[in-house]
Amino acid sequence: GQQLNQSPQSMFIQEGEDVSMNCTSSSIFNTWLWYKQDPGEGPVLLIALYKAGELTSNGRLTAQFGITRKDSFLNISASIPSDVGIYFCAGRNDYKLSFGAGTTVTVRA
Amino acid sequence: DTAVSQTPKYLVTQMGNDKSIKCEQNLGHDTMYWYKQDSKKFLKIMFSYNNKELIINETVPNRFSPKSPDKAHLNLHINSLELGDSAVYFCASSQFPQADEQYFGPGTRLTVT
Repeated sequence: GQQLNQSPQSMFIQEGEDVSMNCTSSSIFNTWLWYKQDPGEGPVLLIALYKAGELTSNGRLTAQFGITRKDSFLNISASIPSDVGIYFCAGRNDYKLSFGAGTTVTVRA
Repeated sequence: DTAVSQTPKYLVTQMGNDKSIKCEQNLGHDTMYWYKQDSKKFLKIMFSYNNKELIINETVPNRFSPKSPDKAHLNLHINSLELGDSAVYFCASSQFPQADEQYFGPGTRLTVT
């Protein structure tokens, strides 16, 4: 499958901070998606992006579909403790989703 | 009501054994998937079925055999388990194959000793 490079691999946040992560690929995707996985559960879809250049928000989350169709970023504004978890980007072509390796977000003590 | 359910939640078994993981979805979706999540959390598609027909079959050992008795169920049978099969296996479903939103089950943590 196609490999997506997601960064950072992990990050520590303090409540109220803005958080940013991104995903790049050597391949073009028709759709970019962002999922969140809580411990012991399966991933849940946060945002779906369908057009190059598209900027979409879902509450405190904002994501963009890169102009080249090879990248996407996700921002979380004013983070709260329940934002901790693993965030995955995914690109879709035809029937298949290819996932990034995830960004683990942890609350800084 | 659980949308996508998997059983068992945890499975510990010895090398060489044969085991099955069951998945059911009550969303009325046409398409179901199996993913493997390794120890580094990397999620990789294994199989996908649409209306009981196989549409995605990634490079997976023949020891893995999916079976879809109807479109609400997709089971995964694994023969001759190996240490490297230890992972979390997720079942997912979507309304149709091109649908972007996939609904994931809670996962089955398989440990092979």
